[in-house]
Amino acid sequence: AQTVTQSQPEMSVQEAETVTLSCTYDTSESDYYLFWYKQPPSRQMILVIRQEAYKQQNATENRFSVNFQKAAKSFSLKISDSQLGDAAMYFCAYRSALGNNNDMRFGAGTRLTVKP
Amino acid sequence: EAGVAQSPRYKIIEKRQSVAFWCNPISGHATLYWYQQILGQGPKLLIQFQNNGVVDDSQLPKDRFSAERLKGVDSTLKIQPAKLEDSAVYLCASKPTSGDYNEQFFGPGTRLTVL
Repeated sequence: AQTVTQSQPEMSVQEAETVTLSCTYDTSESDYYLFWYKQPPSRQMILVIRQEAYKQQNATENRFSVNFQKAAKSFSLKISDSQLGDAAMYFCAYRSALGNNNDMRFGAGTRLTVKP
Repeated sequence: EAGVAQSPRYKIIEKRQSVAFWCNPISGHATLYWYQQILGQGPKLLIQFQNNGVVDDSQLPKDRFSAERLKGVDSTLKIQPAKLEDSAVYLCASKPTSGDYNEQFFGPGTRLTVL
């Protein structure tokens, strides 16, 4: 079964600085999708960025970018120019691209604090 | 576009009582998910519907949990009877049938406290 590991329960960053959140996963599949979701105190899960495993180019979305290392099964999230509104729980997630089973496997999350 | 709606936002019950949660997905979304998120953990899938049919309920504790999506739109998740370990946030998510098919859209969740 696929597992997702986020080894940093908490991270802190100064406003306007850059922070990297780590994520590793375990799978025997070659085709899959990876996601980073943000969950603020309102509990609404918001998609931050996603990566298709067959794409070598790292995904970017404004101040958010990923470092996808397929061989190492690593998928880290970099947040540049951190803002106070970035403070939230961040979840890394894996989904197989095979079949109809869209079971999303989530990591335990990293709580990001942004200091003014 | 309206998002995924869930109610209630909060619910407190005593153990052995019953509780039901409601979810209204984004209009036109054929796929609907219920997740359980225990404090300090990531969400865990309970059940997945495609229209009104169940695709995956392998992680649903069927002795006490049930879910339905009778007309392929709204869905309800029921717990009967509740246990202390059922205290969690229950998230509903939906996915469109076309377009950006990889993204799941989440509702705000229902926080259940079992005393």
